[in-house]
Amino acid sequence: NAGVTQTPKFRILKIGQSMTLQCTQDMNHNYMYWYRQDPGMGLKLIYYSVGAGITDKGEVPNGYNVSRSTTEDFPLRLELAAPSQTSVYFCASSRETGDNYGYTFGSGTRLTVV
Amino acid sequence: AQSVTQLDSHVSVSEGTPVLLRCNYSSSYSPSLFWYVQHPNKGLQLLLKYTSAATLVKGINGFEAEFKKSETSFHLTKPSAHMSDAAEYFCVVTTSGGSYIPTFGRGTSLIVHP
Repeated sequence: NAGVTQTPKFRILKIGQSMTLQCTQDMNHNYMYWYRQDPGMGLKLIYYSVGAGITDKGEVPNGYNVSRSTTEDFPLRLELAAPSQTSVYFCASSRETGDNYGYTFGSGTRLTVV
Repeated sequence: AQSVTQLDSHVSVSEGTPVLLRCNYSSSYSPSLFWYVQHPNKGLQLLLKYTSAATLVKGINGFEAEFKKSETSFHLTKPSAHMSDAAEYFCVVTTSGGSYIPTFGRGTSLIVHP
């Protein structure tokens, strides 16, 4: 099993550019999440999804969009990139009752906006 | 509502001495609690979890944590630190009253001296 796969691992964007961070899981998990990690701030939830076709905002959704057309994929879209979006982004997934099984994380995407 | 506070941003120990990483939580419902570890430039790995079974939870690599409801704490311990334990540690809470969306602490950086 590959678990949760994120691509790309690194990316540099110019201000105003857009990009999509890809996330795929092969565990048939219903729940998927996008977090950003900034130094000393822990992980902040951007968006999450409880199943295909269903998404909802987390704590810091501004400047981002998501879609969930399949169970496996949960891409994160950045429109009009800003320096404040420089961060490390983690995708995660869990079974419906994630508290009994924990959460599986991808290895992260390190994004720099210049 | 739920929240988690990691009481130390950095903990420094010598190799072979005990480790204590402190975590307090707040939850309106019965919580599930997790500790995750993140090694430099890596994703997050589950160390252990508490989900209303035994209050003393044993995890990987010799770590354990005790759930204390009266103190709303879930501190992580290890009897003897190894150099390989140097990493960032995150305490995470979810609650049954919500949708199992996890909330992360800000993290504790464990430094291990030879």
